[in-house]
Amino acid sequence: ELKVEQNPLFLSMQEGKNYTIYCNYSTTSDRLYWYRQDPGKSLESLFVLLSNGAVKQEGRLMASLDTKARLSTLHITAAVHDLSATYFCAVDKIGSSNTGKLIFGQGTTLQVKP
Amino acid sequence: KAGVTQTPRYLIKTRGQQVTLSCSPISGHRSVSWYQQTPGQGLQFLFEYFSETQRNKGNFPGRFSGRQFSNSRSEMNVSTLELGDSALYLCASSLARWGPEGDNEQFFGPGTRLTVL
Repeated sequence: ELKVEQNPLFLSMQEGKNYTIYCNYSTTSDRLYWYRQDPGKSLESLFVLLSNGAVKQEGRLMASLDTKARLSTLHITAAVHDLSATYFCAVDKIGSSNTGKLIFGQGTTLQVKP
Repeated sequence: KAGVTQTPRYLIKTRGQQVTLSCSPISGHRSVSWYQQTPGQGLQFLFEYFSETQRNKGNFPGRFSGRQFSNSRSEMNVSTLELGDSALYLCASSLARWGPEGDNEQFFGPGTRLTVL
């Protein structure tokens, strides 16, 4: 069974600092996704990573994928308060039993303090 | 382009009642997936529909059901509500590109927050 684990689950950091969120998954997956969720809101798609070595950046966030290690990282550079949210990684697999199904990690709640 | 819409946004029901939630996908998206989000269990997959057919189902009891219409709009129904069904129900739509170079990026609606008393 495909499982996804994130760490840390909670991260409190100062503005201007850098940090990394880790996402491990248990078996070979086909694609990896990062989402952001603000309190009381829905999920916003951040990145889609399709292949080994894929790296994507948007503003202060950069996501990478290492399929051999079954690991994705979300790196935060010079954090600002607006990045405070919960971040989820999710994976899926091609195949009839997994159609349309994303397996989510537990989420990492990021709190950026001024 | 309009995003995924869900109605209603909030619902309060009592145990034993049933509820129907509605989801309208992004125009052109034919795949609709449903998820349940709770503080204890996180985000869990309920089911997925494509071209009016349920193609995949998560580990939920038969009280949870759904359907999709010819215009890709989807509904989910929960019968005989239990306290544990209180959750945020999220609908997501995608282009369902399953080829080697494709992705299944899912775009989520605002959710329906269901409270069961």
